[in-house]
Amino acid sequence: ETGVTQSPTHLIKTRGQQVTLRCSSQSGHNTVSWYQQALGQGPQFIFQYYREEENGRGNFPPRFSGLQFPNYSSELNVNALELDDSALYLCASSPGGRVNTEAFFGQGTRLTVV
Amino acid sequence: QQQVKQSPQSLIVQKGGISIINCAYENTAFDYFPWYQQFPGKGPALLIAIRPDVSEKKEGRFTISFNKSAKQFSLHIMDSQPGDSATYFCAASMGLRAQGGSEKLVFGKGTKLTVNP
Repeated sequence: ETGVTQSPTHLIKTRGQQVTLRCSSQSGHNTVSWYQQALGQGPQFIFQYYREEENGRGNFPPRFSGLQFPNYSSELNVNALELDDSALYLCASSPGGRVNTEAFFGQGTRLTVV
Repeated sequence: QQQVKQSPQSLIVQKGGISIINCAYENTAFDYFPWYQQFPGKGPALLIAIRPDVSEKKEGRFTISFNKSAKQFSLHIMDSQPGDSATYFCAASMGLRAQGGSEKLVFGKGTKLTVNP
């Protein structure tokens, strides 16, 4: 186990609703990245937070937003849910810095939009 | 430019055989190439990684071969075992901002490996 915990593990929402997913990073890690993994696909980068600021964003619309807290835990918020938002949402924490460091993934939150 | 292409989509090998998964990339800004292993219901876990200044890296039964000029890299699993049955993702990373933070990972679509006993 990586020490990265995500909650909830499963979630069912209705189209148009809003959802908040949570991630606790591994101890000592100040960087959290969020990925969306559709069924049968590889994870896709949503955005990254470093020391409470957004540090880069993938090709996702503004209704995907996030936060990072002083303890480096993070939230992913998705507004106006669409059916295509159904996916496994993964959080990865890393110690930050420019060197090639390992990203440690949580077990993910399975979101189903109906 | 941002894509990493992975093949095959699925692979079935016999216990003791060699599993080979191939990946290709276009963007020369990528500077780190990890492979992740994912079991059902779990998040991806780092298996082995290589930098582009190295042509081969071996860790136990797992070997990465890297061809910088061809922009291709591959994972070889020697003596494949039923416990290796999982989905494997190649990835490439690039830095985000100049100060701090970490890289972002661009993943291939994955290869579902089944090792028959």
